[in-house]
Amino acid sequence: DIVMTQSPLSLPVTPGEPASISCRSSQSLLHGNGINYLDWYVQKPGQSPQVLIYLGSNRASGVPDRFSGSGSGTDFTLKITRVEAEDVGVYYCMQALQIPLTFGGGTKVEIK
Amino acid sequence: QLHLQESGPGLVKPSGTLSLTCTVSGASIGDSNYYWGWIRQPPGKGLKWIGSMSYTGTTYYSPSLKSRVTISLDTSKNQFSLKLNSVTAADTAVYYCARVVVDGGYGSPINHWGRGTLVTVSS
Repeated sequence: DIVMTQSPLSLPVTPGEPASISCRSSQSLLHGNGINYLDWYVQKPGQSPQVLIYLGSNRASGVPDRFSGSGSGTDFTLKITRVEAEDVGVYYCMQALQIPLTFGGGTKVEIK
Repeated sequence: QLHLQESGPGLVKPSGTLSLTCTVSGASIGDSNYYWGWIRQPPGKGLKWIGSMSYTGTTYYSPSLKSRVTISLDTSKNQFSLKLNSVTAADTAVYYCARVVVDGGYGSPINHWGRGTLVTVSS
């Protein structure tokens, strides 16, 4: 299985400040077609997860442009340019290159 | 508007079979652009992918669960289901049904999730 490792585990943030979450995979997620099979999800308190970024850097429909995904191969980053109170939750990366699809352990974003 | 709703017993006995159904409204499970799948989340823990299926019958299962799991589609009812045999306490989790975009691979992203249903395995 491809192991997904996220850091940090917990991320206290100040509203209006930027935030960044790292995700590393045990194998390259770069397919021969040039696409990185890496998605980002957020699970807000009491809710189901929802997609933020798919295939490395594509923002999902309705996701604010303060969220961006970058990286390639084994190292990926989710950035929030200016954190808002509604962004609290647990953020997960997931690889979709290989069966089984696997998730990172999650990063809990909370407001300071 | 797309809506996915899980249903099924909230309590299953050890060694029994966990059976869940996901009822889809607002979209057809016969749509070739999507897979239909299941993900679970043990209480207080992270997400684990169980498997997915296309309307053509192609299935993908987590190897660690493959010997115990079956996903099936009922296009007449616009539902899909999950069966997990020989359950133990380790199978206690919130189970989510989900729609996954067909991307030429195994599916990305999971673009719609049900609200989830807690299944507890206990005698």
